[in-house]
Amino acid sequence: TQLLEQSPQFLSIQEGENLTVYCNSSSVFSSLQWYRQEPGEGPVLLVTVVTGGEVKKLKRLTFQFGDARKDSSLHITAAQPGDTGLYLCAPPGATSGTYKYIFGTGTRLKVLA
Amino acid sequence: NAGVTQTPKFQVLKTGQSMTLQCAQDMNHNSMYWYRQDPGMGLRLIYYSASEGTTDKGEVPNGYNVSRLNKREFSLRLESAAPSQTSVYFCASSRDSNYEQYFGPGTRLTVT
Repeated sequence: TQLLEQSPQFLSIQEGENLTVYCNSSSVFSSLQWYRQEPGEGPVLLVTVVTGGEVKKLKRLTFQFGDARKDSSLHITAAQPGDTGLYLCAPPGATSGTYKYIFGTGTRLKVLA
Repeated sequence: NAGVTQTPKFQVLKTGQSMTLQCAQDMNHNSMYWYRQDPGMGLRLIYYSASEGTTDKGEVPNGYNVSRLNKREFSLRLESAAPSQTSVYFCASSRDSNYEQYFGPGTRLTVT
């Protein structure tokens, strides 16, 4: 059983469309990070959300942390081909028990020109 | 600054062969990590080193050993490679355990 479930697993959209991807868990986290991984490279941090209900914007990307700090979403407005990649969520650090430095299963996004 | 570097970039091994994956960071980070990434499985932690002189097992440590050689370097060794170890391996580092992780470019390993 994955501690962090991300949905959808795959998404292929046209340039200009909007989309939302989700990161869900039954556990409560003190904070959550979002990373993007481009093909052939390692993941790169996009943002860390810390407070329940927090909304952070990074240009066309909007990140929200759920009120209960168990889930998070990433909304992309007017997607561009440069947004193509694997989006991963992760609670920073050793979470609890055996769940150390875990990452979600990821959403693979392809934006077509 | 090079950030996190990994060698080699690609490697093909036969079953039973051994090899060491090298990782170095130049950011003076305390914590370093080794992950493997398989299709549909996401990133899974193999071993980590919270600080120089310490190492600890992650989610999938079987078949691997690690050495934190100094603050900069953290190596991953496969003593007897198996086809199940075919994967992309990423090394990462962070200032401390709760901070942003910086990843290397990965090593693509195939075991036949």
